[in-house]
Amino acid sequence: DTGVSQNPRHKITKRGQNVTFRCDPISEHNRLYWYRQTLGQGPEFLTYFQNEAQLEKSRLLSDRFSAERPKGSFSTLEIQRTEQGDSAMYLCAGLAGGTNEQFFGPGTRLTVL
Amino acid sequence: GQQLNQSPQSMFIQEGEDVSMNCTSSSIFNTWLWYKQDPGEGPVLLIALYKAGELTSNGRLTAQFGITRKDSFLNISASIPSDVGIYFCAALQYNFNKFYFGSGTKLNVKP
Repeated sequence: DTGVSQNPRHKITKRGQNVTFRCDPISEHNRLYWYRQTLGQGPEFLTYFQNEAQLEKSRLLSDRFSAERPKGSFSTLEIQRTEQGDSAMYLCAGLAGGTNEQFFGPGTRLTVL
Repeated sequence: GQQLNQSPQSMFIQEGEDVSMNCTSSSIFNTWLWYKQDPGEGPVLLIALYKAGELTSNGRLTAQFGITRKDSFLNISASIPSDVGIYFCAALQYNFNKFYFGSGTKLNVKP
């Protein structure tokens, strides 16, 4: 158990709907990452937070995607006007200061119909 | 962007055999990580490597940080059925925040 939790674990939605995912790392994780993973591929970087500051965002992240980490603890990832191509596993990972050991949550599987 | 070339893509082995997989890149990295992922779950960290030439073990798993800092390998000795899964390498460059991932090695172990 990495201590990183994600909710929901599964989400099925219709195209055009908005969805929001939540990630709860442990308190030591001052750094937090979001990734997207499709079948047969490794995780693909979406965005990175150091405490509450969003320091980097992938160019692959369209303006329909937004992420927040308001108090430097939990984080949310919102996808607006979902498209079928957004169907994937969304993973969150936390790192403690002074280490590059990145610990993943169990992921949220999104299916857009 | 940076690319990690992971091979082999998949392996079918007999229980008890040793396994080796590797990741290479044209870029230099200062951290290499190896993960195992089961279906429907997040990747689980197996080994972290921080220095060129470093050799680190975790039970039956051994990983090395290549001398050139452009590659890493993972060995699994005396494989067992629960080793089945997808193994990913990941790497981080100095002064950068983004981790890059290989495309995975799918391991199948026949009892």
